Amino acid sequence: QVQMVESGGGVVQTGGSLRLACTTSGFMFNTFGMHWVRQAPGKGLEWVAFIHFDGTKDYTADSVKGRFTISRDNSENAVYLQMNNLRPEDTALYYCAKENWAFANNGGFGSWGLGTLVTVSS
Amino acid sequence: DIQMTQSPSSLSASVGDRVTITCRASQGIRNYLAWFQQKPGKAPKSLIYAASSLQSGVPSKFSGSGYGTDFTLTISSLQPEDSATYYCQQYESYPLSFGGGTKVEIK
Repeated sequence: QVQMVESGGGVVQTGGSLRLACTTSGFMFNTFGMHWVRQAPGKGLEWVAFIHFDGTKDYTADSVKGRFTISRDNSENAVYLQMNNLRPEDTALYYCAKENWAFANNGGFGSWGLGTLVTVSS
Repeated sequence: DIQMTQSPSSLSASVGDRVTITCRASQGIRNYLAWFQQKPGKAPKSLIYAASSLQSGVPSKFSGSGYGTDFTLTISSLQPEDSATYYCQQYESYPLSFGGGTKVEIK
């Protein structure tokens, strides 16, 4: 059974940093690309970042480029989102999601985690 | 970047009604289109991928269709548990993008 648990969220001041983690189990983590998606309070879904199954390629949304970095540790079955220079508009629930298919980088989303809340105060 | 436009933004329908939500891409995305269901306070749930393929465990009352720029999600017989917000998403190219969502309520 696929399980994904996000952690690392919290309250931080503008300009601060946080590192989110998504720890996983129940599937062969080192064969699946992983995504971060966020949802501001009362708003829709926004894709944030993707990392290839082996970590050799990644993509980041323009809204966070240069501030957020996605990484992964296949020995720990975990994906991370390092968030620097945070802004109030980064306040959101951050979800991790796995690709549908092994070794794919645009196969759609399979399972989602439950999310971790990031609040950036001004 | 590809923009996704959903309509309507909200709808109210009766139990047993057939409900259709549309999603339009700003450029052709072949069939790289997914649908998600999100209930209040819950994480999104993947319903459909490749425009018309059901994710494992999703009931067959949900169906998707379309290719290129125009897509639809249909709920064949609306039930109270289908009350949720539904999102489309293109994954043909990065940056990935979601539609604005359609809130489905039961009359």
